Amino acid sequence: GAGVSQSPSNKVTEKGKDVELRCDPISGHTALYWYRQRLGQGLEFLIYFQGNSAPDKSGLPSDRFSAERTGESVSTLTIQRTQQEDSAVYLCASSRWDRDLNTEAFFGQGTRLTVV
Amino acid sequence: AQTVTQSQPEMSVQEAETVTLSCTYDTSENNYYLFWYKQPPSRQMILVIRQEAYKQQNATENRFSVNFQKAAKSFSLKISDSQLGDTAMYFCAFMNLQGGSEKLVFGKGTKLTVNP
Repeated sequence: GAGVSQSPSNKVTEKGKDVELRCDPISGHTALYWYRQRLGQGLEFLIYFQGNSAPDKSGLPSDRFSAERTGESVSTLTIQRTQQEDSAVYLCASSRWDRDLNTEAFFGQGTRLTVV
Repeated sequence: AQTVTQSQPEMSVQEAETVTLSCTYDTSENNYYLFWYKQPPSRQMILVIRQEAYKQQNATENRFSVNFQKAAKSFSLKISDSQLGDTAMYFCAFMNLQGGSEKLVFGKGTKLTVNP
């Protein structure tokens, strides 16, 4: 597709259940990012994938959070044993740096996760 | 680790006037990009303007311009002739390009309200 696609757009889950969020980046983009945005707050960095390099997981808040990406394609963010504090919008972005192009990160519309 | 600081949680401006949003960052790197993103209530992140660190000339995009002070690690956004549609959250962001990395870090944001 032309842009970054995230699914689902909204997810309501019961406390203690696992959820999986999906991100389809723009084709050819080597970098992929996940952020968490609580209501009215800024973007909290979670994880960053760069090509086939080891991901930067320094932002993951606990071992209940994990993410995978195969090559330069789809990424999934998994939250196990969800807690009410996990309620937020999860944003995915992708980018590709090229000296001859204007670099920018393109964002999906986000997944709004509500844990009840 | 790179950090981005936006010291103004909220700002307001009258329509047609000029407003400046502040951003400072901390890095030991020399090769990087700086961005301002806008997030309206629709929550879609939109790139407003970018600046490459090796360029001394300040970037300009129509009514939006930046004051990039590399030595001071300052990157402020000036919005001229403010319009009601400029009402949004504005995020300053830093992308490190050292060693092939494109890690993107955001500030906490400034909520801008344009009043009629």
